[in-house]
Amino acid sequence: KAGVTQTPRYLIKTRGQQVTLSCSPISGHRSVSWYQQTPGQGLQFLFEYFSETQRNKGNFPGRFSGRQFSNSRSEMNVSTLELGDSALYLCASSLEASYNSPLHFGNGTRLTVT
Amino acid sequence: EDQVTQSPEALRLQEGESSSLNCSYTVSGLRGLFWYRQDPGKGPEFLFTLYSAGEEKEKERLKATLTKKESFLHITAPKPEDSATYLCAVQGLSSSNTGKLIFGQGTTLQVKP
Repeated sequence: KAGVTQTPRYLIKTRGQQVTLSCSPISGHRSVSWYQQTPGQGLQFLFEYFSETQRNKGNFPGRFSGRQFSNSRSEMNVSTLELGDSALYLCASSLEASYNSPLHFGNGTRLTVT
Repeated sequence: EDQVTQSPEALRLQEGESSSLNCSYTVSGLRGLFWYRQDPGKGPEFLFTLYSAGEEKEKERLKATLTKKESFLHITAPKPEDSATYLCAVQGLSSSNTGKLIFGQGTTLQVKP
């Protein structure tokens, strides 16, 4: 069974630009969550989608947004990039949006903002 | 506010030298505590879920235990391939039906042959 797939693996963008990251969940998984990982802050929750609806959102500015499609694939978008947005962005999927359905992570997209 | 603290930040062991990693948590009603392993350049890999105090789970050389305030990940006779960062995360009542986890900063384990 294929795992969570994230594309692209690496991205280099310039401050002020926008970026879109893509995530394909494990087949059959309907919940997709996004996390930002940095050396200083660790893993921080961005948002989660279940059946195309945003179920929860973390404490990030409105420049961070996402969406989920009918096939459960998800995208996240960051507009007006800042240097501090440089991070590893991780997508995770689970069978359902529930505490007894563990998250399975992809290998992330490494975003560098210059 | 839900919070997770892991210790130590880094741990160096000789192959075969058993030890434990600690995860202390503060959460308004624990729904689940999760352990993940993360290798460099990869995403976290799910290891265990614990739900209630007294619960234990095992997988190969790893054993996770849970109390009302902390969890331990015991590593018995580790091998170099156990070298990784181990992450602890909790899910509280307020987000029990979502994908929101609160992660600790992790413990980076190095096992030398």
